[in-house]
Amino acid sequence: DTGVSQDPRHKITKRGQNVTFRCDPISEHNRLYWYRQTLGQGPEFLTYFQNEAQLEKSRLLSDRFSAERPKGSFSTLEIQRTEQGDSAMYLCASSPLSGRGQETQYFGPGTRLLVL
Amino acid sequence: DQQVKQNSPSLSVQEGRISILNCDYTNSMFDYFLWYKKYPAEGPTFLISISSIKDKNEDGRFTVFLNKSAKHLSLHIVPSQPGDSAVYFCAASGVTSYDKVIFGPGTSLSVIP
Repeated sequence: DTGVSQDPRHKITKRGQNVTFRCDPISEHNRLYWYRQTLGQGPEFLTYFQNEAQLEKSRLLSDRFSAERPKGSFSTLEIQRTEQGDSAMYLCASSPLSGRGQETQYFGPGTRLLVL
Repeated sequence: DQQVKQNSPSLSVQEGRISILNCDYTNSMFDYFLWYKKYPAEGPTFLISISSIKDKNEDGRFTVFLNKSAKHLSLHIVPSQPGDSAVYFCAASGVTSYDKVIFGPGTSLSVIP
């Protein structure tokens, strides 16, 4: 395992459908993050896990969004009743827990979502 | 309120010359700064970082400079190569064991052969 992987890489769905994305972090990394990126913007923080605990959620994460990391390994991000405004690149990142802060996050290739 | 700013959306540089990408931040609690490079259809790739206790960090062709009093950092690429053409994101995080990493909007660098 040499990096963060995400599946699928691309998803096209119709408005109102539910979608689920998966992220597999670097195996020894305790922390896992989800970001959303739209055209012309940097990644925007959505939520963060330390092991299986979800420690923070952004205001961007509406009630239609839910994320899990059940065993502290892979994570899923589900969007219910998708809207056209959900179209974006969804990025996952992971970092080790060093206790020193200032940890570098390593990103996966992203899942490009298009809601029609 | 954008806490990390990259005021140049794009930059073109001749191959072999120096590329200078600039970043400004507003939150004085940031103490760790990172640069990421992103190619189309890929996730951001970590490039280089700097802690607030330093004013310079160098890694091969890449050097990051930090001016805390001005809340400004810059990334220098010398010499620039066509493969450096990408979007570069400046990012910053705070002092605690976990603080959100805040990204700037990015600067698109084109290195012309």
